[in-house]
Amino acid sequence: GAVVSQHPSWVICKSGTSVKIECRSLDFQATTMFWYRQFPKQSLMLMATSNEGSKATYEQGVEKDKFLINHASLTLSTLTVTSAHPEDSSFYICSARDSYGYTFGSGTRLTVV
Amino acid sequence: AQTVTQSQPEMSVQEAETVTLSCTYDTSENNYYLFWYKQPPSRQMILVIRQEAYKQQNATENRFSVNFQKAAKSFSLKISDSQLGDTAMYFCAFMKLSGNKLVFGAGTILRVKS
Repeated sequence: GAVVSQHPSWVICKSGTSVKIECRSLDFQATTMFWYRQFPKQSLMLMATSNEGSKATYEQGVEKDKFLINHASLTLSTLTVTSAHPEDSSFYICSARDSYGYTFGSGTRLTVV
Repeated sequence: AQTVTQSQPEMSVQEAETVTLSCTYDTSENNYYLFWYKQPPSRQMILVIRQEAYKQQNATENRFSVNFQKAAKSFSLKISDSQLGDTAMYFCAFMKLSGNKLVFGAGTILRVKS
């Protein structure tokens, strides 16, 4: 089946630094990938839609300058949290559309100290 | 805009018993997909089952089956012979046939007790 690899699985960074999260489709090409944020015991909140070779589409209320998304190839999308602050601490998940539905990465737990 | 409602925040079931999770949705679309995803404590999202709205037959995957009522806009998930490994948060999700975004419900935490 389709596999989406997400790295790192967890990261701790200092306030004011930037963190990059990678999402790769391993056995299929993904022209569109999605980035979600999830708080404990809550649903997934769509942050942005990442389109290969073009600019990402951000959901209302998501700061595009803080959450930089790059989708330079058909198998790789990255999310960079810039100038991270403690309130950015969360669980971030990527997903990609495959032939049957959506496949999700294993998520990244970001802690900003 | 489409909305998905899961009215049961938490549920519990005894091992080997059957449990049904509820999901209703609102849409003006005629053709769409519905999904159930499972998120165990590892937080990996796993596809449980998919239903195409144009198919009248309810989807089944081993111990998992759905009751899809298109007119009522209802899409419940039945888990038979519950196992401890079924303990997870379950999300109902909707996608337009012509779209590419998933709309999620709030989720239901299911605990299977031994």
